[in-house]
Amino acid sequence: EPEVTQTPSHQVTQMGQEVILRCVPISNHLYFYWYRQILGQKVEFLVSFYNNEISEKSEIFDDQFSVERPDGSNFTLKIRSTKLEDSAMYFCASSGGPSEQETQYFGPGTRLLVL
Amino acid sequence: AQSVAQPEDQVNVAEGNPLTVKCTYSVSGNPYLFWYVQYPNRGLQFLLKYITGDNLVKGSYGFEAEFNKSQTSFHLKKPSALVSDSALYFCAVRDWDSASKIIFGSGTRLSIRP
Repeated sequence: EPEVTQTPSHQVTQMGQEVILRCVPISNHLYFYWYRQILGQKVEFLVSFYNNEISEKSEIFDDQFSVERPDGSNFTLKIRSTKLEDSAMYFCASSGGPSEQETQYFGPGTRLLVL
Repeated sequence: AQSVAQPEDQVNVAEGNPLTVKCTYSVSGNPYLFWYVQYPNRGLQFLLKYITGDNLVKGSYGFEAEFNKSQTSFHLKKPSALVSDSALYFCAVRDWDSASKIIFGSGTRLSIRP
């Protein structure tokens, strides 16, 4: 069964450093998403991406964040200068179409710890 | 604004007994509802969804959920719990104010004792 994969599974970084989280969505999917889950809190939407551009972003997704699809398979989330409060589990998701009925399939997550 | 509420942080059930994980929703349009499960050190796995049609939705691993419009609920159920069902369960709803966002509940930890 096809699935979303994410690397690395864990990332530890120093405050102020740049991190890139990588995702490989399900191969025939066209819509991609990033969510995050701060420890003990709800899963929150960050951004959605389609046709090589951001379709929607939350207020969390400020100028420190960017997303990119550098090739035909990868989807990345970059945090330019990490803060302590960026420590969270980051989930990538993908869906086959734009419909609100479409299921979003999630990857296993990357646990980011900013020291 | 859309939201879902999971009133129980923890549900404890003996193996073999039926289980219910509760979810209520608040939406401005048609409710598109989802259940996801998160096993330890794993991602969010899709279990089932309600879009339209039959109020009883069947999903993965023997789970089902009952959509109740009058009670604005979408409780997750399983007739006979397994120890391996122990995990964190999230109810979610599609956000009608958004093109793509899913709004998650706070999660319910299900613990099945042998």
